[in-house]
Amino acid sequence: NAGVMQNPRHLVRRRGQEARLRCSPMKGHSHVYWYRQLPEEGLKFMVYLQKENIIDESGMPKERFSAEFPKEGPSILRIQQVVRGDSAAYFCASSPTKSADSGNTIYFGEGSWLTVV
Amino acid sequence: KQEVTQIPAALSVPEGENLVLNCSFTDSAIYNLQWFRQDPGKGLTSLLLIQSSQREQTSGRLNASLDKSSGRSTLYIAASQPGDSATYLCAVPNSGNTPLVFGKGTRLSVIA
Repeated sequence: NAGVMQNPRHLVRRRGQEARLRCSPMKGHSHVYWYRQLPEEGLKFMVYLQKENIIDESGMPKERFSAEFPKEGPSILRIQQVVRGDSAAYFCASSPTKSADSGNTIYFGEGSWLTVV
Repeated sequence: KQEVTQIPAALSVPEGENLVLNCSFTDSAIYNLQWFRQDPGKGLTSLLLIQSSQREQTSGRLNASLDKSSGRSTLYIAASQPGDSATYLCAVPNSGNTPLVFGKGTRLSVIA
């Protein structure tokens, strides 16, 4: 059973370009979470999705950022018109159910490192 | 809003020492608490998950305790090894909601 798969692992974009980060959850997991880790900072929650639905996007910046988890295929975190401040590690995690009240642990991918030059 | 604090921010110990990492959280109405390990340039690996009804969990040389009423958890590492060098993160669900809230972590270096 493969773990949470993220790609690309490393991405370099010029200011103003678009970045697309992909996440395939573990098999059987229908809940996906995206987190961002800035240098020397902790992980900050961005968005929680269940198949085809955004459950909680309270951590998403209001502009330029969007996320989806279609019925088929991976979850996508999209950052439009990237700026230097978007440079960070973006982690995806998945769980089989809503992790907080199920007691299930949450599994993280290896992350996608975005560098904006 | 849940906030998680970890102290110390960094710790350097000689091999073989026992050590304790601390985590505190502001909202004690949690379902569970997790400890993770993160190696440089890597993702997070779950080490221990403590349910709110439990007081501690053990896995090998690791022991995590939870005191919900005081909003504290400790991760005890026995007989530390250089391979334990990593950043250790504590996380709890946000108040009544799913997304995990993380502390900034403790960066551990075990010197051979």
